[in-house]
Amino acid sequence: DTGVSQDPRHKITKRGQNVTFRCDPISEHNRLYWYRQTLGQGPEFLTYFQNEAQLEKSRLLSDRFSAERPKGSFSTLEIQRTEQGDSAMYLCASSLIGGEQFFGPGTRLTVL
Amino acid sequence: GENVEQHPSTLSVQEGDSAVIKCTYSDSASNYFPWYKQELGKRPQLIIDIRSNVGEKKDQRIAVTLNKTAKHFSLHITETQPEDSAVYFCAVRVSGRGADGLTFGKGTHLIIQP
Repeated sequence: DTGVSQDPRHKITKRGQNVTFRCDPISEHNRLYWYRQTLGQGPEFLTYFQNEAQLEKSRLLSDRFSAERPKGSFSTLEIQRTEQGDSAMYLCASSLIGGEQFFGPGTRLTVL
Repeated sequence: GENVEQHPSTLSVQEGDSAVIKCTYSDSASNYFPWYKQELGKRPQLIIDIRSNVGEKKDQRIAVTLNKTAKHFSLHITETQPEDSAVYFCAVRVSGRGADGLTFGKGTHLIIQP
């Protein structure tokens, strides 16, 4: 499968724990995006990278959230001290500059 | 920031009829307007997009129209089929100025009645 992949697909955690998600983009894509989607809503933009540089961060990305793309390939999204309100589907997408964004299958996070 | 309004939230049409979903946006600098289809439990998939220098684009049974003056764009699906049942999202992007994230509408649940 040469599409965007995400791991894990599901994560259940207790409030206050830290979680980390991984995204592997389409190999030649230099842009990588993170979105969050809650039930009945459209995806909400969180942040994006061009190669290893984080170029834009939404005001939704609180201090508890951090994203990295150290070698310009895969990316990780970490949430520290999770809260129940963090429960959502976390979607990753990738693209060429100015091109279509291809989405991954998402990581569904449940915070108990 | 950009604000995207999408209507209706639910649309039920008879198989074979046409469906129209409308979106308005607030930032006149928006220049890219994609439409995504999301089936239950699946990832969003691009079905058609339009850039600001074009007023209309068509791909088989799907078309998108853009009115930059009024800041609205619409998705048209003709000869609807059962497999068209899904949630459809419009989105806008303001490219340049370091910005590239998409702002999505809240979605339209399209139901095709047999």
